[in-house]
Amino acid sequence: DTAVSQTPKYLVTQMGNDKSIKCEQNLGHDTMYWYKQDSKKFLKIMFSYNNKELIINETVPNRFSPKSPDKAHLNLHINSLELGDSAVYFCASSQDQGEQFFGPGTRLTVL
Amino acid sequence: AQTVTQSQPEMSVQEAETVTLSCTYDTSESNYYLFWYKQPPSRQMILVIRQEAYKQQNATENRFSVNFQKAAKSFSLKISDSQLGDTAMYFCAFMSLDYSLKDSNYQLIWGAGTKLIIKP
Repeated sequence: DTAVSQTPKYLVTQMGNDKSIKCEQNLGHDTMYWYKQDSKKFLKIMFSYNNKELIINETVPNRFSPKSPDKAHLNLHINSLELGDSAVYFCASSQDQGEQFFGPGTRLTVL
Repeated sequence: AQTVTQSQPEMSVQEAETVTLSCTYDTSESNYYLFWYKQPPSRQMILVIRQEAYKQQNATENRFSVNFQKAAKSFSLKISDSQLGDTAMYFCAFMSLDYSLKDSNYQLIWGAGTKLIIKP
């Protein structure tokens, strides 16, 4: 069974569209994260949720909105997509300060 | 603020050789974790090894070992008997355990990564 899963794995869309990426973890972890990895492979934390509460909200555009219906899910909704949003988005989870387990990533391409 | 520096953007070695990837970090804290993650071409992020700062003994995982020098704030990764499957991006990361720093909780500070190529 996959520990951290993301859907979809690939997403190609037009500028201006709204899209969502879903993430689920079956590890029973309390904390979940969203990262953005740009074309130079640099990883940037976007959001983190601990027990359904936002604990990190880095300076990302407000077009990005995380939603956590329960502690096993952390979805990422993106409004009015722009070319610069093209990247790989990773979901991850951890238990307290333990190591983070990553999903397979979602490659978003905005045309 | 903590920072993590990986000074080698890319390295290339022959299969079966030993290779060392460097990582330095900057922090004023004494209690933290350090990690090495691997990202192969499949793009999956995989934990390679973890080191607790309070432990003097260097962590090892099979062919992977670290040289943790706390005073020098250095955390290098050694890969012995390298294999073709070790070809990947390798990221060094720092995690604060200081609960009084709200923004530090649970947050990994990442290095820029080192691209490692193992040649047959």
